[in-house]
Amino acid sequence: NAGVTQTPKFQVLKTGQSMTLQCAQDMNHEYMSWYRQDPGMGLRLIHYSVGAGITDQGEVPNGYNVSRSTTEDFPLRLLSAAPSQTSVYFCASSRGLAGGGYEQYFGPGTRLTVT
Amino acid sequence: SQQGEEDPQALSIQEGENATMNCSYKTSINNLQWYRQNSGRGLVHLILIRSNEREKHSGRLRVTLDTSKKSSSLLITASRAADTASYFCATALIQGAQKLVFGQGTRLTINP
Repeated sequence: NAGVTQTPKFQVLKTGQSMTLQCAQDMNHEYMSWYRQDPGMGLRLIHYSVGAGITDQGEVPNGYNVSRSTTEDFPLRLLSAAPSQTSVYFCASSRGLAGGGYEQYFGPGTRLTVT
Repeated sequence: SQQGEEDPQALSIQEGENATMNCSYKTSINNLQWYRQNSGRGLVHLILIRSNEREKHSGRLRVTLDTSKKSSSLLITASRAADTASYFCATALIQGAQKLVFGQGTRLTINP
């Protein structure tokens, strides 16, 4: 299994441009999520999905859109990039554990710079 | 706002010593998890402890959970240079246990 894959690894955007960060998983996990990681801030949840066709907002959803048309893919769209969206973006999917609880598997991240 | 707060923010020890990191949180949880992040990489799941558990072991890792104090600790015994990484605690709330809220992390450096 490839696990969770993300593309691109690096991206530079100008203010106002739009783009889509791609995320795919081959583990047949229902739950997927997007986080951003800023220095000293840990990870903050942007959007998540509990299955194909179902998405919901996390802690910091403004400026981002998501869709989930298949179990495998969960793209994150930046509508109009702003310098405040400069960050490292991580996609994750999760599996249930015996006895309860979920373990998250993370992709390698996309480092985005908005100038 | 962040659910978990970690202490210390940075820790530097000699190889072979034990490393202890602490995490405090604010609301009731379903479980608490610890993740490791090597520089420039994604997070990797280390261990999960449920709200009805007090202590859990996995190899050189020992995690404790005190729900009355809303705190957890991660102990790494006999540290190695390869343990150098950032360590994050993450809490799963009772409602929506798949959603995790991460702390700010502890940056651990193991000196050879």
